[in-house]
Amino acid sequence: HSVLTQPPSVSGAPGQRVTISCTGSSSNIGADYDVHWYQQLPGTVPKLVIYADKNRPSGVPDRFSGSKSGTSASLAITGLRAEDEADYYCQSYDSRLNGYVFGTGTTVTVL
Amino acid sequence: QVNLVESGGGVVRPGGSLRLSCEVSGFTFSSHAMHWVRQAPGKGLEWLAIISENENTKYYADSVKGRFTISRDNFKNTLYLQMISLTIEDTAVYHCARRTYFGSGSYAIDFWGQGTLVTVSA
Repeated sequence: HSVLTQPPSVSGAPGQRVTISCTGSSSNIGADYDVHWYQQLPGTVPKLVIYADKNRPSGVPDRFSGSKSGTSASLAITGLRAEDEADYYCQSYDSRLNGYVFGTGTTVTVL
Repeated sequence: QVNLVESGGGVVRPGGSLRLSCEVSGFTFSSHAMHWVRQAPGKGLEWLAIISENENTKYYADSVKGRFTISRDNFKNTLYLQMISLTIEDTAVYHCARRTYFGSGSYAIDFWGQGTLVTVSA
């Protein structure tokens, strides 16, 4: 049972824009702790695609963007491509749990 | 290049113990805090524990607190996870992961090991 809730799945056609929400609470996202996003392609380990709410690590295409407001954060993928099919997880810190938490995960399907 | 290699997984009976290791190379191990994260078959990521660079600070997820112990040996470039009182719910692939400073007070995981499978079964 995660304290960060994501939709189980989202889908879109190639070229479209999809967004993934990550809903938390006042002890994590709402307390302004950083939110990070990881992409996990099938059979591989997670890869960081957004750190500190909205920043892209070197090498991540600018089709990926992040935002945060209140107790929620979002990952947007524009110009959707077949290679974006993966599971995506948000992550933050929770002061009530005194530890880190991952979101429930979202599967992105390219139609 | 950065490399993290876990070992020590296997099949263990409920109530049993296991110690996982994560040997790292390609970076200055003592300059990075390290995490353990697990993923049960077909499930999502679950954060387990973090240890600071000098081993002074450790935090655990409630699900493993009191049963798992994270430690490190900066001379051997190795991270450990001692697990006791294992249950079927602990069956998962266990990953070690490096925490890196990205500036402006922000830290995130930037490298993961491939993981080692722990199966708890009678």
